[in-house]
Amino acid sequence: QVQLVQSGAEVKKPGSSVKVSCRASGGTFNTYVLSWVRQAPGQGLEWMGRIIPILGIPNYAQKFQGRVTISADKSTSTVYMELSSLRSEDSAMYYCARGTEDRLYFGHWGQGTLLTVSS
Amino acid sequence: ELVLTQSPGTLSLSPGERATLSCRASQSVGSNYLAWYQQKPGQAPSLLIYGASNRATGIPDRFSGSGSGTDFTLTISRLEPEDFAVYYCQQYVSSSMYTFGQGTKLEIK
Repeated sequence: QVQLVQSGAEVKKPGSSVKVSCRASGGTFNTYVLSWVRQAPGQGLEWMGRIIPILGIPNYAQKFQGRVTISADKSTSTVYMELSSLRSEDSAMYYCARGTEDRLYFGHWGQGTLLTVSS
Repeated sequence: ELVLTQSPGTLSLSPGERATLSCRASQSVGSNYLAWYQQKPGQAPSLLIYGASNRATGIPDRFSGSGSGTDFTLTISRLEPEDFAVYYCQQYVSSSMYTFGQGTKLEIK
């Protein structure tokens, strides 16, 4: 049974950074795509970026290039998403999601981490 | 840039009725790399349909997906109370990117 367990809710000041973690269990970690998807309150889903731990090279959505860093720790089966220069519009639920075997879709999701950016 | 447009924005139906949700791509979706997700309030999304027409594990057969090219449809043949949720389509874009539609809210009439 694949499980993705994310770190807890965060409250940050504008201009600061946040680092969210997602620990995977119950399945192979290294060869699957791990993505981050965010959802602003009452809004849709927005893909931010992904990493394949065994390769270690992330891909980012253009919108977040330069502001997001996705990394993976194979020893603990954990993927991280760091978002910098936070602004109020970054307040959202952040999900990690594991890709399907063909790397085309998102077969398993974490429970979400709520980020609030407020002065 | 590929854009997925879902319609309608909100669909109001009663249990037992048939639901038809649309997802239109701004350009042809290669090899039907399209998925549908269901999201219930307070929960993460879950995969329903992949490859345009394949049900994910454990998904009831009242859910079906169809379409190709730029036009895709999610059909729920007979709505159950637990089916009222928000539905998103998603496509894998080239160069390791992904995009979602804006969602269709299926609400009880």
